[in-house]
Amino acid sequence: KNQVEQSPQSLIILEGKNCTLQCNYTVSPFSNLRWYKQDTGRGPVSLTIMTFSENTKSNGRYTATLDADTKQSSLHITASQLSDSASYICVVRVDSNYQLIWGAGTKLIIKP
Amino acid sequence: DGGITQSPKYLFRKEGQNVTLSCEQNLNHDAMYWYRQDPGQGLRLIYYSQIVNDFQKGDIAEGYSVSREKKESFPLTVTSAQKNPTAFYLCASSIRTGDEQYFGPGTRLTVT
Repeated sequence: KNQVEQSPQSLIILEGKNCTLQCNYTVSPFSNLRWYKQDTGRGPVSLTIMTFSENTKSNGRYTATLDADTKQSSLHITASQLSDSASYICVVRVDSNYQLIWGAGTKLIIKP
Repeated sequence: DGGITQSPKYLFRKEGQNVTLSCEQNLNHDAMYWYRQDPGQGLRLIYYSQIVNDFQKGDIAEGYSVSREKKESFPLTVTSAQKNPTAFYLCASSIRTGDEQYFGPGTRLTVT
C-alpha cells in the first residue's frame, strides 16, 4: 500500500534554532517528492520538489534531502523565524498514474 | 494562493442541506482538484478534472458532486448524503494532471 509517514507530528522550537522534519514513504513506482508549507487556515504552498536522482535541494533557509534507497526525505530549516510556524507536508507522486500520496504533516511552532 | 479563489472562507449549514463551494482560477490551468482536510490526516482527493466537461472521482467522492462547464470554474456540492461533511475543503489547479498543484485559501464548512 502506498503510504507517506511524517515525524514528528508536532514540534516546538525557539526562534533562531534549526530543526529537521522527517518523511518516510512506501510509494512505488516513485516519480517525485514535494514538501509543502501550510499556514493555519490557508492552502499549502510548494517549497521544493525532488526527483529520483536528486539528493538535496534548497529554497532559502529550507533544505530538503532525498534518499531513494531508504525511501526517506528530510526538510531542514535553518535559523528558524516566527513566520516558519506552520504545518509541513510531504507528498509523493506515483509515477504510473500521477496519483499523489499525502502525508499528515508536521505542525511546527516557533516560540520567541 | 496564486490565482485561485475560493468562497466563502467560512460556511455554516444545517444537516440535510446541500451546499456548493466555489472555486475559480485565472491561471489558465487545465486540471483542477478538490481535497478534503481533516485534523491529523493527509489531504484526501474528492474529485478532479483534467479538462473542461470532464471529471473523475477521487478517493472519497461519495456524497459529493462537481461540474466543470468552464475552464476557470470547478464548483463542489456537498450533498446531504455526505455523512461527515464538516471539514476544511481545498481547491487546487495545475497546468496538466501530475504537474505542480497551486492551492486556493480553502473553505471551512461546518454542518450542525
